[in-house]
Order: sequence, then C-alpha cells, then structure tokens
Amino acid sequence: QLQLQESGPGLVKPSETLSLTCTVSGGSISSTGYNWGWIRQPPGTGLEWIASMYYSGNTYYNPSLKSRVTISVDTSKNHFSLKLSSVTAADTAVYYCARQKGLTMGGTYFYYYMDVWGKGTTVTVSS
Amino acid sequence: DIVMTQSPDSLAVSLGERATINCKSGQSVLYSSDNKNYLAWYQQKPGQPPKLLIYWASTRESGVPDRFSGSGSGTDFTLTISNLQAEDVAVYYCQQYYSAVTFGQGTRLEI
Repeated sequence: QLQLQESGPGLVKPSETLSLTCTVSGGSISSTGYNWGWIRQPPGTGLEWIASMYYSGNTYYNPSLKSRVTISVDTSKNHFSLKLSSVTAADTAVYYCARQKGLTMGGTYFYYYMDVWGKGTTVTVSS
Repeated sequence: DIVMTQSPDSLAVSLGERATINCKSGQSVLYSSDNKNYLAWYQQKPGQPPKLLIYWASTRESGVPDRFSGSGSGTDFTLTISNLQAEDVAVYYCQQYYSAVTFGQGTRLEI
C-alpha cells in the first residue's frame, strides 16, 4: 500500500528557507499517471495547494506562491521535496504531501485530484 | 484563480438523516473536451489528513461508503451524505482541478 511521509524541520526562522521532503514507500514515484504535490493548512483554516510535479520534471505552481517555491524530485531516492524561501509567520502551517492523479498526453500535463496523502508535518515560522 | 465557495459553513444533522453540502465555483469546471467536471470532495477528521471521497464530481473513490454521493455540473455541485453516521463528523472540502488547484473554505458537519 502506498504511503507518503513528510520530514523536515518543525521550526524555521523568518526570512529563511523552509525545506521539506516527502518519502514515497510501497510504490514508485516514477509511476505513470501520477503527479506529486504539496498542500498546506494554516492553523484552524482551510487547504492551500502549493505545487505539484511529474517525475520527469514538469512542474506546476500556485501563482500566489510561485516566486518563493521550488519543487523537485529524486527518483533514485523515491522522494520529492519542497523549498519555500523568505518565510514569514503566515507560512506557519501543517504541510502535506500527496499523490495527485494526472495524465500526460501529447506533451501536455494534466493535474487532477489527490488520492493519497501523507500524515502532515507542522512547520512553525518563528524567531 | 477559480474561487470555490461552500455553503453552509457548518451544519448539524441528526443520526440517520441526510446532510447536504453545496459548492459553487467562480467559473465552470466542466471541460468540454472530455465532458468531465473537474471537481473532487474530501473529508478531514481532526488531526488527520484529508481523505478523497469523490472525484469527477460524482465518482466515488474505492472503499468510500455508498452513503456518500456527489452531483452537479458546471458551477454548482453537491455532496450528499445519507443515513448520517457518528463517524461522518468532519470538515468537508470541495476542490477544483480545472485550472490549477483550489479548495473551498470547508464545511463543518456535526451531529
């Protein structure tokens, strides 16, 4: 059964870069038909999609965060990563990684719904 | 961004009764090329990640009880939970994937 596990520092200082990794087990990150994404949830509020990517390198970013976000994949380690730069208190949240159903057709990449989620990791931005 | 608006923000339903949650998108999420509505529903219980319930607006994810059903097209969608059980207490989110990904603000369901 596919499982996803987030890892990374639970505390990040303002203006620094938040770095998280999602390790995939029970399946390959190179599977066709799936993308890999990050979603966050600030305390007591709703869900915000951050970014997604296909294992071959195609990426898709939330326009409101694009200037600060980098998503990458390491197929040899079967994991993908998130970097969010210049963090502020507003970036404090539970960060989830997820498998996202998708489709690649004629050079076009489609990103659909998230069908498997990690348990989430809490990141606090504070000095 | 496509704004997703859910209603109500919260509701209380008796055990065994029906709960109805609405979701309205700021523009149509019906893709003409495949005639599919790019909309999903999730359930989130306290301290847990969201769980996929419904995708393509009305397709139930494997293992999800048939008490959960999705309907609607274009801009207006509904999640219906029939014969409400105690374990259905959660926050429910709709999500569009027609253009990037955006979620509704959530609807809290209580008994």
